[in-house]
Amino acid sequence: EDKVVQSPLSLVVHEGDTVTLNCSYEVTNFRSLLWYKQEKKAPTFLFMLTSSGIEKKSGRLSSILDKKELFSILNITATQTGDSAVYLCAVEALGAGSYQLTFGKGTKLSVIP
Amino acid sequence: DGGITQSPKYLFRKEGQNVTLSCEQNLNHDAMYWYRQDPGQGLRLIYYSQIVNDFQKGDIAEGYSVSREKKESFPLTVTSAQKNPTAFYLCASTPRGGNLYEQYFGPGTRLTVT
Repeated sequence: EDKVVQSPLSLVVHEGDTVTLNCSYEVTNFRSLLWYKQEKKAPTFLFMLTSSGIEKKSGRLSSILDKKELFSILNITATQTGDSAVYLCAVEALGAGSYQLTFGKGTKLSVIP
Repeated sequence: DGGITQSPKYLFRKEGQNVTLSCEQNLNHDAMYWYRQDPGQGLRLIYYSQIVNDFQKGDIAEGYSVSREKKESFPLTVTSAQKNPTAFYLCASTPRGGNLYEQYFGPGTRLTVT
């Protein structure tokens, strides 16, 4: 059974701090790892990672994948209150004839002023 | 504007009643998905459909049923057999041959069963 584990499950930081969110996985037929931001509604896509070692960046957010050790990290620098959300990690893998996503439980990030 | 519509946003039902959640998309996407999310949990796949008149069970299909009679529509019925139906339900779709990172999500329906 495919498994995705995120840590920590929740995190409280002050504005301006840098945070690192972790995602480890055990899947067969891996294709990609996805990061989403969810703010009490549908998830918003952030990054897709398919290859090890290539850092994806979008403003203050960056992410990297290690396919050998089977984990990914999501970094957020200079955090703002608007970064408060649940961050979901999902792994895309082939199962039962089609690709499917397996999600972790998410990390709830709270940024306080 | 193209997108996915889920209705209603909030739904309340008594235990023992079947309830159908609506999902409509005008993106001309072939594949559609239903996910369930519980507090503090990630999304779990209930059912998915790659083409009209065909659908497959996901990880937690027990107590749910779906139909795919039209490309645009993929309604989900939560039956009385579903033991813990209270949850946030998300519908999603992807284009033909598209990767799952291209998955569009609807706004979701929060179902409360008492």
